[in-house]
Amino acid sequence: EPEVTQTPSHQVTQMGQEVILRCVPISNHLYFYWYRQILGQKVEFLVSFYNNEISEKSEIFDDQFSVERPDGSNFTLKIRSTKLEDSAMYFCASSEQERTGELFFGEGSRLTVL
Amino acid sequence: RKEVEQDPGPFNVPEGATVAFNCTYSNSASQSFFWYRQDCRKEPKLLMSVYSSGNEDGRFTAQLNRASQYISLLIRDSKLSDSATYLCVVDNTGTASKLTFGTGTRLQVTL
Repeated sequence: EPEVTQTPSHQVTQMGQEVILRCVPISNHLYFYWYRQILGQKVEFLVSFYNNEISEKSEIFDDQFSVERPDGSNFTLKIRSTKLEDSAMYFCASSEQERTGELFFGEGSRLTVL
Repeated sequence: RKEVEQDPGPFNVPEGATVAFNCTYSNSASQSFFWYRQDCRKEPKLLMSVYSSGNEDGRFTAQLNRASQYISLLIRDSKLSDSATYLCVVDNTGTASKLTFGTGTRLQVTL
């Protein structure tokens, strides 16, 4: 069964450092997303991406965040200068069609900012 | 009022029991509704979409009440493997490009 893969599974970083989280979406999917989940809290939307541009972003997704699809397979989330409150599980997701709501999530990248 | 509100539980039920969860949403213009399942420290996985007419998938039945702005999930004949957190998810945009998740209802099925 095709799946979304994410690396790293866990990253520990110092406050102020840059972090790049990587995702390989399912190959025939065209819509890509990043969500995050702070421990014990709900899953929160960060950004959606289609046709090499951001479709929608939340208020969480400020200037410190950026996304990129550097090649035909990878989809990355960069946090420029991490803060303590960025500590969370970051989930990448992809979908075949924008309107189905059927998102396939990766296993997540746990980010710990010290 | 929270955008999507769920009873956090936990709901502790014996194997074979029937259990129901409700979820309320605040935006009357919400377009689409889903139930996702999340196991402890794992990713969310789509359980089922919720259609206006209600829909059933095996032991799972989902209902939507637009007038009262709530969604329900019924699980019949609970299995140990149903133990998880059930996330109510709403699409307010009409494009499903930005889903709003509830905090989830935890279910523990016991022997």
